[in-house]
Amino acid sequence: QVTLRESGPALLKPTQTLTLTCTFSGFSFTTAGMCVSWIRQPPGKAPEWLARIDWEGDKYYSPSLRTRLTISKDTSKDEVVFTMINMDPVDTATYYCAREDSSYGLFDYWGQGIVVTVSS
Amino acid sequence: QSVLTQPPSASGTPGQRVIISCSASSSNIGSEYVYWYQQHPGTTPKLLIYRNTQRPSGVSDRFSGSKSGTSASLAISGLRSDDEADYYCAAWDDSLSGYVIFGGGTKLTVL
Repeated sequence: QVTLRESGPALLKPTQTLTLTCTFSGFSFTTAGMCVSWIRQPPGKAPEWLARIDWEGDKYYSPSLRTRLTISKDTSKDEVVFTMINMDPVDTATYYCAREDSSYGLFDYWGQGIVVTVSS
Repeated sequence: QSVLTQPPSASGTPGQRVIISCSASSSNIGSEYVYWYQQHPGTTPKLLIYRNTQRPSGVSDRFSGSKSGTSASLAISGLRSDDEADYYCAAWDDSLSGYVIFGGGTKLTVL
């Protein structure tokens, strides 16, 4: 059974750095084709893809947010860590991690999401 | 950056067939797969269609996807009240080192 769970702070002040951890089970980065992405969704808006890391450690970032994002993985812990620097109130959103695999492609499993609010 | 354009809203009555479109602004998407997600209020998006036309196990065959060039469509037949939700298309864009784009979403209302 595949599960993903996001953890991290619920509230940040402007200019702070957001660090989120995605802890997953039911699959492993030791399997070729596995990827984990971070996606956010502001209230009432469409999802926005942020970053992806694949089983080989290759990283991909949203072109518009690239300078603020970092993604990494710990294969032994089945974890993916995501950071976004210089947070702003417009970054307030639900942040999800989601799996991609070679059988289905994009986002067949999602975490439940974590609501992150940026406010002074 | 490329954009996926969806109509903001769609509607139909129970039993009807509804089609939601997703049009790419760039030919970069032309050779890429399109994915569709359904999201009910307060819930996580659910994969509905993958690789243009495929349904994951457990997804009703009332949902079907198609793609031609840089346009894709999601068709919902035998419309039911619980189909009322937001629907998003997504695709991988191979330009700019590769990234994923989502459409703006279509809110489906069952009248």
